[in-house]
Amino acid sequence: SYELTQPPSVSVSPGQTASITCSGDKLGDKYTYWYQQKPGQSPVLVIYQDNKRPSGIPERFSGSNSGNTATLTISATQSTDEADYYCQAWDTTTVVFGGGTKLTVL
Amino acid sequence: EVQLVESGGGLVQPGGSLKLSCTPSGFTFSDSTIYWVRQASGKGLEWVGRIGSKTNNYATAYGASVKGRFTISRDDSKNTAYLQMNSLKSDDTALYYCSRLWANWNAFDIWGQGTMVTVSS
Repeated sequence: SYELTQPPSVSVSPGQTASITCSGDKLGDKYTYWYQQKPGQSPVLVIYQDNKRPSGIPERFSGSNSGNTATLTISATQSTDEADYYCQAWDTTTVVFGGGTKLTVL
Repeated sequence: EVQLVESGGGLVQPGGSLKLSCTPSGFTFSDSTIYWVRQASGKGLEWVGRIGSKTNNYATAYGASVKGRFTISRDDSKNTAYLQMNSLKSDDTALYYCSRLWANWNAFDIWGQGTMVTVSS
């Protein structure tokens, strides 16, 4: 079965750029999606189809996908961005989630 | 407001059954494919299953860990999707979310608040 691998944790200082990676076999051939989940809340879609932002998601959130790795980039990171981030892709018609990355802003 | 609301969670003994409901508001439920996703405490997201719309013949699919034990259905006249869970195990203890798959993006754009299922004696 298809697997997506994320680092368990990433730390960033306020105002700096955070990068969260998601790795999978030939992931660049698929679309990658990113969800933000703050403590005690439901997931929220922040990036779809590699690099598109839903309405209401700040421009500092961006995405890229090439080769075996997709990356969620958060520019000028704020304390409110502290959350768990999950990548997601489709293995034909089966949804696959990454294990999640805890972003700490300190 | 566009939202999904889950209900029906609770405490159940191992081997028991429970039926969850997912009720939408603010969008055309009958056109939507609905997914169930669960999250054990402190763990990641796990796909449970999905049910398509009438256009897709209400096609269902399930994750390997629940296949044969869980059944997803829907009643569009009641604007509700269901997750029937049988032969429950302690590993099924989790917060269960329903989510809408937005076909234009193939992404989960709406999530409910989740309903907690605890399997314990």
